[in-house]
Amino acid sequence: GAVVSQHPSRVICKSGTSVKIECRSLDFQATTMFWYRQFPKQSLMLMATSNEGSKATYEQGVEKDKFLINHASLTLSTLTVTSAHPEDSSFYICSARMVSGGREKLFFGSGTQLSVL
Amino acid sequence: AQTVTQSQPEMSVQEAETVTLSCTYDTSESNYYLFWYKQPPSRQMILVIRQEAYKQQNATENRFSVNFQKAAKSFSLKISDSQLGDTAMYFCAFILVDGQNFVFGPGTRLSVLP
Repeated sequence: GAVVSQHPSRVICKSGTSVKIECRSLDFQATTMFWYRQFPKQSLMLMATSNEGSKATYEQGVEKDKFLINHASLTLSTLTVTSAHPEDSSFYICSARMVSGGREKLFFGSGTQLSVL
Repeated sequence: AQTVTQSQPEMSVQEAETVTLSCTYDTSESNYYLFWYKQPPSRQMILVIRQEAYKQQNATENRFSVNFQKAAKSFSLKISDSQLGDTAMYFCAFILVDGQNFVFGPGTRLSVLP
C-alpha cells in the first residue's frame, strides 16, 4: 500500500527554538496533505490543509505564523513550529490524500512527538 | 458542517469473540466516503476499512465488516474473532466526495482481553 514517511519521529527542543517536521508521500503524488495535532487519549485535531503550490488553509484557532506549512512539491509538505513553547508539546501527524480510480484514501505518517523544555 | 459521533469511549472484548463499534454521522449531502481507522499503541494510523456511500453492499475486509445504514446515518464496525493485536483506538471518519477535509470521530478505545 501507499506509504507516507514522517520525520523526525521524536524531537526534544528548548523553548524558543524552531522545529521542522517533514512529511513525504513515497510512492504517490499527494495534491493535498493534512496536518493534525493529537493530545493524549484524544482524537485528531485538524490544524491545516496543505495544497501543493498554494498557501495552506488553517483551521480556526491555529496560528499560521506559529505553525508554518510549506507544500513545495507533490510529495513533500513541511510543518515548522516556530519559537516553540512548552504548550506546543504534542503529537503531530501528517496525512496525504490519494484519489485513484475514483477511490478516496488517506494515508498517515507515523507521527512526531514534540517535547519542548 | 459534518460531524462524526462515536458513543462508546471504551470497550473490551474477549479474545476470539466478536465486537461491534458504533459510529453515527451527520450530513445533508448524499455522496461521501466513510472509513474506520485503527491507532494501536505505536500511534500509527492504519486504514481498516472504507465504504462508498453510493454502494448498498457493506464493505468487508477479512475479520472486519461494516453495517452501513445510510438512512440512519450509521456506520458500525464489526470485528470477528478478535485478536490481541486488535487492541487500539478506533476512529470513524467521513469525507464528502468533493470535500476537502476528513472529519474524525472522538474514537473508541478497544481492549482485547486474553
